[in-house]
Formats: sequence, structure tokens, C-alpha cells
Amino acid sequence: DAGITQSPRHKVTETGTPVTLRCHQTENHRYMYWYRQDPGHGLRLIHYSYGVKDTDKGEVSDGYSVSRSKTEDFLLTLESATSSQTSVYFCATQAGANTGELFFGEGSRLTVL
Amino acid sequence: AQTVTQSQPEMSVQEAETVTLSCTYDTSESDYYLFWYKQPPSRQMILVIRQEAYKQQNATENRFSVNFQKAAKSFSLKISDSQLGDAAMYFCAYSPSGTYKYIFGTGTRLKVLA
Repeated sequence: DAGITQSPRHKVTETGTPVTLRCHQTENHRYMYWYRQDPGHGLRLIHYSYGVKDTDKGEVSDGYSVSRSKTEDFLLTLESATSSQTSVYFCATQAGANTGELFFGEGSRLTVL
Repeated sequence: AQTVTQSQPEMSVQEAETVTLSCTYDTSESDYYLFWYKQPPSRQMILVIRQEAYKQQNATENRFSVNFQKAAKSFSLKISDSQLGDAAMYFCAYSPSGTYKYIFGTGTRLKVLA
């Protein structure tokens, strides 16, 4: 296991409130990712990071922002949560671009009422 | 566009029997990785098996094996001697070598019947 922890694991919030999900890794992996998982869609990339302060958008980045101030932490922020952002969010890491395998956190279930 | 297709939303298998989950992908790349991930009810994504495209030999991990057909762009997962603990959602994934990019299929839910 790559030692990836996500917090919170479960959150219920109201439309319009800000939400931050945290991903912490202990493996010194360079690449970190945020995915969302929805029925019928598999996993879709929100944002990824290829180093401290180096981030880029994925395929479903609208309404989300990220920050990576330390190698071990990757934060996902919903500035103003909407019901369409109700989902399960997964953090993943990869040691390097040539290593192949993604390691996943346990997931965070977010419900926006 | 690179895509991964899992055409079976749900499958069932009797305990101790064999089941095959299908996956096809579309790419113009020649060097890439393919993966099968398992997601049990705990939600944790677990790597089951991986295949490097340049290797002709099909990957195997205990009861799990793949049938990798590069020309047909097919990557099926065979589970032998199915066990109750194999019940899960299975995702096929593709990643071009040397990139950050991973493309996931929509998943196949496997039920194991006692």
C-alpha cells in the first residue's frame, strides 16, 4: 500500500458552501490525482499534480480547484458546492510517469443537499 | 480519442466457476499499460493485474489472468475458481507509457453466487 489517506471520508454539506478534501501520502510519490466516481461514468479526472505547486486540469475540472504546497498533500476545493458535485472522490498517486500503477486512497463520499 | 469500453455492466458467476470480463480500448499509441482494478464494497480500489503492451505474454496473478489481444485492442480478465470475495466492481484502465493520463472504463459489477 502507498499510504494514502483522505479526509474527511464522509461529508454532507449544503449547496453554496465551500468544501475542501485532503489527500495525504507518505510515499513521496511525484504525481497526485483527484478523480470523481459516478455510476455509469467510471472514474473521471478532476485535476492532477506533477510536483509541488505544479497542477493541471483534468476532464471535469469546472467548479473545482486544487493546491499542492507540499509533496505529501494535495487539496481539492469546491468553492461553492452544487448538487451535481455529489459524488465519491478518490485521490491517487503515482511514483513516476513510467511506473504505470496508480495507488488509491479510500475515497471520500460527498453529499451536497 | 482514447477510450475504454466495458460492455458488461453486470455479470454473475457461480462459486468455483470461471468468468471472463471484457474490455476493449481505442488508441493510436504503441506503448502503454493496461490494468484491471477491483473495487469491493469497502470502496478501496485494488490493483488486480497489469499488462505492458510490449509484452506478448499474458499477465497472470494466481486465479486472475488476462487475454491481451493487441491488434484487436482487447484486454479481458479471467477469474478462475471464483470465490465469494471476488464479488466487486471491476474497472479496466489504460495508460500511455510515460504520461500522467489514465482512462477508465465504466466498470463491470461481478456477483458471485453461492
